[in-house]
Amino acid sequence: DQQVKQNSPSLSVQEGRISILNCDYTNSMFDYFLWYKKYPAEGPTFLISISSIKDKNEDGRFTVFLNKSAKHLSLHIVPSQPGDSAVYFCAASADGGSQGNLIFGKGTKLSVKP
Amino acid sequence: DVKVTQSSRYLVKRTGEKVFLECVQDMDHENMFWYRQDPGLGLRLIYFSYDVKMKEKGDIPEGYSVSREKKERFSLILESASTNQTSMYLCASSSQMDTQYFGPGTRLTVL
Repeated sequence: DQQVKQNSPSLSVQEGRISILNCDYTNSMFDYFLWYKKYPAEGPTFLISISSIKDKNEDGRFTVFLNKSAKHLSLHIVPSQPGDSAVYFCAASADGGSQGNLIFGKGTKLSVKP
Repeated sequence: DVKVTQSSRYLVKRTGEKVFLECVQDMDHENMFWYRQDPGLGLRLIYFSYDVKMKEKGDIPEGYSVSREKKERFSLILESASTNQTSMYLCASSSQMDTQYFGPGTRLTVL
């Protein structure tokens, strides 16, 4: 039973446009959410996170939005660049990240075309 | 900068062999994790450890064991490798209230 779902396995966007990656979760105890980016043959790298006490967190071109009532979060990348092409994983934690145990989604492969 | 290293980037083994995957972190993190990544299945947790000598099963521990004798080192052991264990293996570490930092991964092929 998947607690963190990324329903789009892939997404293709034109360079300069907005990329929106979506993530849904089922466990209402989740209180900390993260996005990781993964290039082929490399380990995932942390991108951005959000606590459940917030509804938005921004870092440069990356913004994460959290809608607790809908149990939904999204990652916006504006403007998208070809170097953003990677697999993006959404992850969630039920203990504020205190023990570091994360539940990951299956990932969305983003392709940004020049 | 946090550094998590894994002993091999690519590994080829035969069915039935015992396989050791080593992971070392240099940030004195309490928590360490082993995942495998497969296409369409995302990251699945195999085992994790909150402290030296401690281990906890993740979602898919069958066919694997782990060892954590020192805080900085977490080993994943495949007692008798099988073809369905061909995968990308990722190690990660974290401290309390922090994100997980991943190593570069080991691409294991079992023939």
